[in-house]
Amino acid sequence: DVKVTQSSRYLVKRTGEKVFLECVQDMDHENMFWYRQDPGLGLRLIYFSYDVKMKEKGDIPEGYSVSREKKERFSLILESASTNQTSMYLCASLSWGGGANVLTFGAGSRLTVL
Amino acid sequence: QKEVEQNSGPLSVPEGAIASLNCTYSDRGSQSFFWYRQYSGKSPELIMFIYSNGDKEDGRFTAQLNKASQYVSLLIRDSQPSDSATYLCAVIPTSGSRLTFGEGTQLTVNP
Repeated sequence: DVKVTQSSRYLVKRTGEKVFLECVQDMDHENMFWYRQDPGLGLRLIYFSYDVKMKEKGDIPEGYSVSREKKERFSLILESASTNQTSMYLCASLSWGGGANVLTFGAGSRLTVL
Repeated sequence: QKEVEQNSGPLSVPEGAIASLNCTYSDRGSQSFFWYRQYSGKSPELIMFIYSNGDKEDGRFTAQLNKASQYVSLLIRDSQPSDSATYLCAVIPTSGSRLTFGEGTQLTVNP
């Protein structure tokens, strides 16, 4: 089974701090995603990456950047955290082939910005 | 118009009943459709995917796809309290590999 690991389950940061959220997958997948999930708004795509050093903006990229230096690792960066970035952040990895098309999520990182 | 819309919840059904969850999508060229289940405080997990018109059954779950009507549904037969969760519909549009999610429907199965 695919394993997607998010390094931090809970974080509390202050406004203006730089925040790194790390995500690692163990199946050599090319496509990885960062979503945020908020009550009443559902899952919204922030950024995704389809290969090392390749990235594309999702629906809400403002205030975020990403890094993919190695295939297994996809990092989300908040350059200067703000209170409206308090949310649950979910990383996911996409697998193709064999009739299956599966997005596997990590356990999530709940970020609170004070 | 939202890309993926789900019937507003919450939905409450008695144990043993059929729960019906509905989803419509706006991109007529979409090819891949998914249902995810998310328990409170947990991350989403895939229940089923469907590509072709018609029904696809997996145990107590049946996904139904009607591309002409741009409609996909999930039926849960013999609902159990353990099915209580939020169900997310997701679609891969024509444009690429990213999934777009609906807001989810919260289902409660009452014993």
